[in-house]
Amino acid sequence: EPEVTQTPSHQVTQMGQEVILRCVPISNHLYFYWYRQILGQKVEFLVSFYNNEISEKSEIFDDQFSVERPDGSNFTLKIRSTKLEDSAMYFCASSDQGLLSGHTFGSGTRLTVV
Amino acid sequence: DAKTTQPNSMESNEEEPVHLPCNHSTISGTDYIHWYRQLPSQGPEYVIHGLTSNVNNRMASLAIAEDRKSSTLILHRATLRDAAVYYCILRDPQGGSEKLVFGKGTKLTVNP
Repeated sequence: EPEVTQTPSHQVTQMGQEVILRCVPISNHLYFYWYRQILGQKVEFLVSFYNNEISEKSEIFDDQFSVERPDGSNFTLKIRSTKLEDSAMYFCASSDQGLLSGHTFGSGTRLTVV
Repeated sequence: DAKTTQPNSMESNEEEPVHLPCNHSTISGTDYIHWYRQLPSQGPEYVIHGLTSNVNNRMASLAIAEDRKSSTLILHRATLRDAAVYYCILRDPQGGSEKLVFGKGTKLTVNP
């Protein structure tokens, strides 16, 4: 069964450093998403991406965050200057029909900011 | 976002059916009912979705009340692998927002 692949599975970074989280969505999917889950809390939406541009973003997704689809397969989330409160599991997801279909999620990247 | 209400936790025995309820009394006519689950230390996993009619797939069945103010996710024979947090989420394709809004969900414990 096709799956969404995320790398790395765990990233430790120093506060103030830039991190890039990588995702390979399912190949024929057109809609891409990032969510995060702080330990013990709910899964929160960050951003959706379609047709090479952001289609929706949450209040969490401020100027420190950016997304990119640099080639036909990868989808990245960049955090420019990490803060302690950015520590969380970050999940990438993709779907083929956006609102009309389910999301397929990756297994996540655990980001630890020290 | 239309609100859903789920029990915090439920318990089941292995190989028995499980009925996970969800109330959504303020559902609009165009809201689809989606169910996801999250196994421990994993990302959410799509389970099933429907609008008005009951739906079946290889993972589960979704029973939707006639007035659509509630729905029930049915796992026909629970296995230990079904232990997870189950989320009931409303999505409106005409609403313009693509995001999934996760609540606290129902934590399902499956006893051997």
